[in-house]
Amino acid sequence: TQLLEQSPQFLSIQEGENLTVYCNSSSVFSSLQWYRQEPGEGPVLLVTVVTGGEVKKLKRLTFQFGDARKDSSLHITAAQPGDTGLYLCAGDIWTDKLIFGTGTRLQVFP
Amino acid sequence: DAGVTQSPTHLIKTRGQQVTLRCSPKSGHDTVSWYQQALGQGPQFIFQYYEEEERQRGNFPDRFSGHQFPNYSSELNVNALLLGDSALYLCASSLGYMTGGDEQYFGPGTRLTVT
Repeated sequence: TQLLEQSPQFLSIQEGENLTVYCNSSSVFSSLQWYRQEPGEGPVLLVTVVTGGEVKKLKRLTFQFGDARKDSSLHITAAQPGDTGLYLCAGDIWTDKLIFGTGTRLQVFP
Repeated sequence: DAGVTQSPTHLIKTRGQQVTLRCSPKSGHDTVSWYQQALGQGPQFIFQYYEEEERQRGNFPDRFSGHQFPNYSSELNVNALLLGDSALYLCASSLGYMTGGDEQYFGPGTRLTVT
């Protein structure tokens, strides 16, 4: 059972555009993490959000945890080719066992 | 500060064979989790080790087993390999157990191909 739905699955944009990736669930999570993964490598942790309504910024990336802790979003401002990769959200239901979404594959063209 | 390391990086095995993958956690971490990532999908949780015991398990058959050593490193063993076991196997380490919200750091993975 896939508890975390990510959308869109694929995103292809030009450098300088803005984008938002969504991560939705019917389950409540104790925390939610966002990762970026390059081909052939392991996921790299970008951010962890814990509190409902929490907003975290990492340079041009803005992460938000829904008030009910069931959903999250990742917004990238002025995307660059270096942002290209697979973006994964992963939720923790108080078990330290991460449940991953299916991922959003982002391609940013120069 | 050494991150999570895994070996080997690539492995090719034949159906029916057995394989052992290895993981050393990030310095200071005591919990190791293993994930399987099929092509084009998100990682799926296999199991987690803490204090040398399997503490949690995902929906994987008994052919998948593991071990954690006193130095916190871990092994993943897969018996009677099937073609469907071909995947990227990821090890993640964290500090503590069942505390919720612990950040997990992933290794580069082992790419297993079963022919």
